[in-house]
Amino acid sequence: NAGVTQTPKFRILKIGQSMTLQCAQDMNHNYMYWYRQDPGMGLKLIYYSVGAGITDKGEVPNGYNVSRSTTEDFPLRLELAAPSQTSVYFCASSYSSAGELFFGEGSRLTVL
Amino acid sequence: TQLLEQSPQFLSIQEGENLTVYCNSSSVFSSLQWYRQEPGEGPVLLVTVVTGGEVKKLKRLTFQFGDARKDSSLHITAAQPGDTGLYLCAGTRGTSYGKLTFGQGTILTVHP
Repeated sequence: NAGVTQTPKFRILKIGQSMTLQCAQDMNHNYMYWYRQDPGMGLKLIYYSVGAGITDKGEVPNGYNVSRSTTEDFPLRLELAAPSQTSVYFCASSYSSAGELFFGEGSRLTVL
Repeated sequence: TQLLEQSPQFLSIQEGENLTVYCNSSSVFSSLQWYRQEPGEGPVLLVTVVTGGEVKKLKRLTFQFGDARKDSSLHITAAQPGDTGLYLCAGTRGTSYGKLTFGQGTILTVHP
């Protein structure tokens, strides 16, 4: 009964380093999303995907990249980390375009 | 500027009190969802409303979608410490393919 699994849960990066946040879902959902959550700001959409091989930018895509080679996986790549990318990142999936979002437990990233 | 404005941002009340959280926008939404998030976890869906004027009840929680589909409210009757958490409203507009726009959230603390 895994649902949406994110790794790692915590990570500290130095400015300029790169890393990939992993996200996997076992519900066979076509739609997957990456959000970031900053204090007092709710969740902002970074990238989303409507199916394998199809991705598109959300509200705050700068500094990030994604790929969707399979239905199950939707990794988020941070290139040249900056302090402004310090945040909690949530991956989510849904069965339909207007359906319930199922979220992972989040990945807390600190860039120093 | 937040597309969805939630108020209040913080709410601290005693067990047994009633409360209302508001979610307002100048834009029309095709559907609106309410999520609850606990520390260290991802948001979990409470309800989805899709019809203007719709009222849904979930035990002590009552959700309402405005007639013009621009606003929503969450009312909790006789709050309990277990209701403590971050409450988020999120809306979908037109053909946004599931790209939810989130409010900034309301942090509710219910004291025993």
